[in-house]
Amino acid sequence: DGGITQSPKYLFRKEGQNVTLSCEQNLNHDAMYWYRQDPGQGLRLIYYSQIVNDFQKGDIAEGYSVSREKKESFPLTVTSAQKNPTAFYLCASTALGGLAFRADTQYFGPGTRLTVL
Amino acid sequence: GDSVTQMEGPVTLSEEAFLTINCTYTATGYPSLFWYVQYPGEGLQLLLKATKADDKGSNKGFEATYRKETTSFHLEKGSVQVSDSAVYFCAPRSGQAGTALIFGKGTTLSVSS
Repeated sequence: DGGITQSPKYLFRKEGQNVTLSCEQNLNHDAMYWYRQDPGQGLRLIYYSQIVNDFQKGDIAEGYSVSREKKESFPLTVTSAQKNPTAFYLCASTALGGLAFRADTQYFGPGTRLTVL
Repeated sequence: GDSVTQMEGPVTLSEEAFLTINCTYTATGYPSLFWYVQYPGEGLQLLLKATKADDKGSNKGFEATYRKETTSFHLEKGSVQVSDSAVYFCAPRSGQAGTALIFGKGTTLSVSS
């Protein structure tokens, strides 16, 4: 079945550590996204990538880094510079191109819950 | 910048009640509009979408109409079920951030039997 997988489901980090969240999709989608979800604040965009080896900062990129070496993979690293990383992280992807690109659905993974100890 | 406003929750209803969740937006140009649903501990799933003015999106008994004149996309369902309990997000597709969606804060719906 096609879809988006995120791992791990739960992740615990000690203060000062970097951690990497995995996101893989087999939908052959061009664009991928990382969102952060906090209670009462909805989803906020961290980074997005529309093509391999290129990515753009979203609204809250500070303290995070990404790479896009393969079309199907878009890992997110939460660095020690992120002062409040405890949150639910969601990865998404969508196809691009064609006249109907604005209507393309964004598909989401199941999420990773990160907790700082 | 682009933004979306949803009615504050939680919304608490009895089974078979009528549901309305209001959503208004500001966005560049004429965005496509989406409603997503999130069940506890899960990612988001597309519920319905509309791509141009006066379009009506519908799915699983839920409906929403793209109202350009009022920049609104209110979600409705005639008879809710306990299984509809979830968080609902309204999201226009922003022209400023490429194809990224702009999300509201979400509205929590709780349906009791």
